[in-house]
Amino acid sequence: ETGVTQSPTHLIKTRGQQVTLRCSSQSGHNTVSWYQQALGQGPQFIFQYYREEENGRGNFPPRFSGLQFPNYSSELNVNALELDDSALYLCASSFTQSMNTEAFFGQGTRLTVV
Amino acid sequence: RKEVEQDPGPFNVPEGATVAFNCTYSNSASQSFFWYRQDCRKEPKLLMSVYSSGNEDGRFTAQLNRASQYISLLIRDSKLSDSATYLCVVTSGMDTGRRALTFGSGTRLQVQP
Repeated sequence: ETGVTQSPTHLIKTRGQQVTLRCSSQSGHNTVSWYQQALGQGPQFIFQYYREEENGRGNFPPRFSGLQFPNYSSELNVNALELDDSALYLCASSFTQSMNTEAFFGQGTRLTVV
Repeated sequence: RKEVEQDPGPFNVPEGATVAFNCTYSNSASQSFFWYRQDCRKEPKLLMSVYSSGNEDGRFTAQLNRASQYISLLIRDSKLSDSATYLCVVTSGMDTGRRALTFGSGTRLQVQP
């Protein structure tokens, strides 16, 4: 077990709805990154949060947004859900914002949009 | 063109075989390199970092060729428990030292009894 926990583990939403996914980072880690993994693909970087601020963003539209809290836990919010948003959403926590240190992944939230 | 390219496989090999995976990356500014392992419907886990000098961890050997932008993973004496998807990962530099992990699509390995 990595100590990174995500909730919920599975979720079904309807197109156009909004969703919030949650991540508790490993103790001592101050950086949380979010990734989207479509079936048969590798994870794609969405964004990173460091000390409660967005610290870098991948090629995702603004309807993907996030928060990091003082205890370093994080949320990923997706508005106006589309069918293509169906994927495994992974969060990774690390000790620093540099990915030269190991990132530990949570077990993921599997989102299905119908 | 994808930033990190891998052969998707699957590679079907018998127990005890030696298998090699290759990966190429397009961003010459990539600074760190890794192999992650992902079991079916589970999260990715770090298998090993990859250094220019090459590094070995038991049955696993990783090599990096910066000039060719090429990374390899060699698994010797394959075990049934090695069956998984192997993800080639590089860091893409962003400003002020922030980093993201860029993943290949993964190579699936199935070790047969």
